[in-house]
Amino acid sequence: KAGVTQTPRYLIKTRGQQVTLSCSPISGHRSVSWYQQTPGQGLQFLFEYFSETQRNKGNFPGRFSGRQFSNSRSEMNVSTLELGDSALYLCASSLGGTGSDEQYFGPGTRLTVT
Amino acid sequence: GIQVEQSPPDLILQEGANSTLRCNFSDSVNNLQWFHQNPWGQLINLFYIPSGTKQNGRLSATTVATERYSLLYISSSQTTDSGVYFCAVEGRGGSNYKLTFGKGTLLTVNP
Repeated sequence: KAGVTQTPRYLIKTRGQQVTLSCSPISGHRSVSWYQQTPGQGLQFLFEYFSETQRNKGNFPGRFSGRQFSNSRSEMNVSTLELGDSALYLCASSLGGTGSDEQYFGPGTRLTVT
Repeated sequence: GIQVEQSPPDLILQEGANSTLRCNFSDSVNNLQWFHQNPWGQLINLFYIPSGTKQNGRLSATTVATERYSLLYISSSQTTDSGVYFCAVEGRGGSNYKLTFGKGTLLTVNP
C-alpha cells in the first residue's frame, strides 16, 4: 500500500506570495492533518480534516488555510508569505473514524521564503 | 492544552549500548505514538502505544497511562539509530484529532 505523498517536496517563494501544498493520504484513510516544523517552535499542529470537514485547528493566523476533497486529498494554502513561514510542512493521514487512530506521516514539503 | 516533556534532550552513545528515552504527559490521552525522524525530515512510525508494552526487534516501548509517562528502550544501538526521537500524544476534549509533540531527544550513536 502506498504511503502518504506530498507535493512539491521543495519550494522557494518570495515574501508576500502565496503557496499551495498538496497531500494525498494512504488509500482508505479519511483523516488528514497538517503540521509545521521549525527549529524554534518544533512540531506544531495546523489543522485536521475528516470527510471534508475541519474538526480541529491550531493556533495559526488566518493566512493559513486548508481544505479536503471528496477523495480525501488535502491542500493547505499560505497567503502573504512571511520569512517566518519557512519550515518543513508535514501531512499525516489516519483512518480517522474515532480520532485516536495511528497517524502516518508523509515526507514533507520544505518551504523557504526569501 | 496537554503538555509533553521528553528527556533527555540529547544522548550520545557508543555502538552496542542500551538507552531509555522518557516521555511525560500532563493529562489523559487517547493516543500516544513514538516516531524517529530521518535525516530528510520524514517521521517514521515506531510505536502506537496509548497503554501497555510492545516490542519490535531491538526497540520496545511501555506506556503507563495512569502515571502519565511512556518509555522507549533501544537495545544494542547501531549508528543507524541516530536521529531525533519524538513522542506525540492526542489528548481528550479540546485536544482531540491532533497530536501534541514533545521537543524530541537527539540521539547520536558513535561507532
